[in-house]
Amino acid sequence: GQNIDQPTEMTATEGAIVQINCTYQTSGFNGLFWYQQHAGEAPTFLSYNVLDGLEEKGRFSSFLSRSKGYSYLLLKELQMKDSASYLCAVRDYNYGQNFVFGPGTRLSVLP
Amino acid sequence: DAGVIQSPRHEVTEMGQEVTLRCKPISGHDYLFWYRQTMMRGLELLIYFNNNVPIDDSGMPEDRFSAKMPNASFSTLKIQPSEPRDSAVYFCASQLSQSSYNEQFFGPGTRLTVL
Repeated sequence: GQNIDQPTEMTATEGAIVQINCTYQTSGFNGLFWYQQHAGEAPTFLSYNVLDGLEEKGRFSSFLSRSKGYSYLLLKELQMKDSASYLCAVRDYNYGQNFVFGPGTRLSVLP
Repeated sequence: DAGVIQSPRHEVTEMGQEVTLRCKPISGHDYLFWYRQTMMRGLELLIYFNNNVPIDDSGMPEDRFSAKMPNASFSTLKIQPSEPRDSAVYFCASQLSQSSYNEQFFGPGTRLTVL
């Protein structure tokens, strides 16, 4: 089956840079997505990678290495509003092309 | 578009009662997904539809759970009878197609508490 790992919690300071890692194991990889979820709200789409390399979108960047089964989400110039959970999701052929979500990383940004 | 719409936003019921959750996907999206989220198990896929047809319901925990999609703009998830362990946030999501780059758009969720 699919196995996705993320750190459970992270803490960082306002203005800093933080990297949230995600590792996965599957033979049916077809894309990796990052979602942000504030407490009590729905997940919202942040980024998508299907080829190796870095995708940059403003303060957020996401990196993928398919050979290593590894991705990270990089958040720069952290703001208090970035305090949220960050979910890694793998689109998997073995699951009908559907998403398999990781457990999520709860990020706390401190002043 | 208003995005994915779910109702109710909160539901508190007693064990044994029937619960019906509702979802309106984004117009034009071919796929609709029902998820359940708990602290212990994270976000789990329960069932998904393609063009109103249920494709995979292997994630539905028990026969007490059922889902329908009578038309392209409406779906329901029903729990009968409900149990305290069903307490969770239930999300509906829709997706344009299964192309690899298409993200899923989530509704605001229904927070269900079964007493």
